[in-house]
Amino acid sequence: TQLLEQSPQFLSIQEGENLTVYCNSSSVFSSLQWYRQEPGEGPVLLVTVVTGGEVKKLKRLTFQFGDARKDSSLHITAAQPGDTGLYLCAGIVFSGGYNKLIFGAGTRLAVHP
Amino acid sequence: EADIYQTPRYLVIGTGKKITLECSQTMGHDKMYWYQQDPGMELHLIHYSYGVNSTEKGDLSSESTVSRIRTEHFPLTLESARPSHTSQYLCASSDRDGRETQYFGPGTRLLVL
Repeated sequence: TQLLEQSPQFLSIQEGENLTVYCNSSSVFSSLQWYRQEPGEGPVLLVTVVTGGEVKKLKRLTFQFGDARKDSSLHITAAQPGDTGLYLCAGIVFSGGYNKLIFGAGTRLAVHP
Repeated sequence: EADIYQTPRYLVIGTGKKITLECSQTMGHDKMYWYQQDPGMELHLIHYSYGVNSTEKGDLSSESTVSRIRTEHFPLTLESARPSHTSQYLCASSDRDGRETQYFGPGTRLLVL
């Protein structure tokens, strides 16, 4: 059974601080996605990382895929209140003839002004 | 912005009632999914469809059923609701482009009394 563990589960910080959240597994994924979910809404894709060691930047967000494609991290520089939300990682595995997404439980981030 | 809709957004219903949660997308996506999301827990896939007249059960056992008569429509039905069905239900769709980007609806929050 593939399992994605995200840490920390909760994070409460002040505006302007930096933070890193982690997504770890013992399984290898063909690629990994990060989504952000705001209250009352569905998750929205932020990024997909495909190659081991890949680093992608999205403004103040930096995503890294582990060399072995088992883990990933999301670093936010100078967090803003608008970054508040639930951050979900999802690993993609090929199973039963189809690609499937395995989601972590998420990191709930609160950024205070 | 993704065009995927869910109704109702909130539903409070008594035990034993039959309910149908609606999900529609206007993107022409072949793949559609239903997830169950509880606070602090992973999104669990309960049903998926890779095209018209194709439906499969997901990783999490569910007493619900789905149908896919039209590409754009993927309703979920509970024949007899129970308090254990209380949860948030998220519908999603994706294209066959290999990127596995899932577009989520806003969700239906179900409370069974």
